[in-house]
Amino acid sequence: GDSVTQMEGPVTLSEEAFLTINCTYTATGYPSLFWYVQYPGEGLQLLLKATKADDKGSNKGFEATYRKETTSFHLEKGSVQVSDSAVYFCALRASGNYKLTFGKGTLLTVNP
Amino acid sequence: DTGVSQNPRHKITKRGQNVTFRCDPISEHNRLYWYRQTLGQGPEFLTYFQNEAQLEKSRLLSDRFSAERPKGSFSTLEIQRTEQGDSAMYLCASSAIQGDYGYTFGSGTRLTVV
Repeated sequence: GDSVTQMEGPVTLSEEAFLTINCTYTATGYPSLFWYVQYPGEGLQLLLKATKADDKGSNKGFEATYRKETTSFHLEKGSVQVSDSAVYFCALRASGNYKLTFGKGTLLTVNP
Repeated sequence: DTGVSQNPRHKITKRGQNVTFRCDPISEHNRLYWYRQTLGQGPEFLTYFQNEAQLEKSRLLSDRFSAERPKGSFSTLEIQRTEQGDSAMYLCASSAIQGDYGYTFGSGTRLTVV
């Protein structure tokens, strides 16, 4: 079945550091890929998405590129801020399906 | 558009009691989903409605769980005879049928069974 594997957390960075959170997936066909962010006490918010191979999703300085050859969708940001502290979830939706399959999440803490 | 609204935000109940959660989706969204998130895990799919029809139920949804969406508007999720293992965050989301707009999630209802 479909699955998503994220790098284990927690990740602790200093402000302005470079961020990478790895995400790989297993799915048949061509799934859509997503990154969601969950701030403390809140629900999930869509951060960015990509719907086909080589697409780059971007939002708020975050980027991720859909790599079909490596089945990956790694999240990157060049300079993190304290306000980026949250849990980040990688997810996929199989082609023609409506369900999201999530990874376990990666807790990011950014210190001033 | 006020987003997806879930009530209550928190619920503490004794084992064996029944609980009911409510979700109000974005008004123009036809699809509604329930997910469950336990500590340290990503959300897991529970069930899905298209308008008022419940089209899929996960094996995670035991006989003690029931969900409804009367008239294709708000939805309720009821858990009967709660168990400690039911403690989790219950997330509701909605989406439009057309296009690839993705989900909009509510803030969730955190259930604690003591």
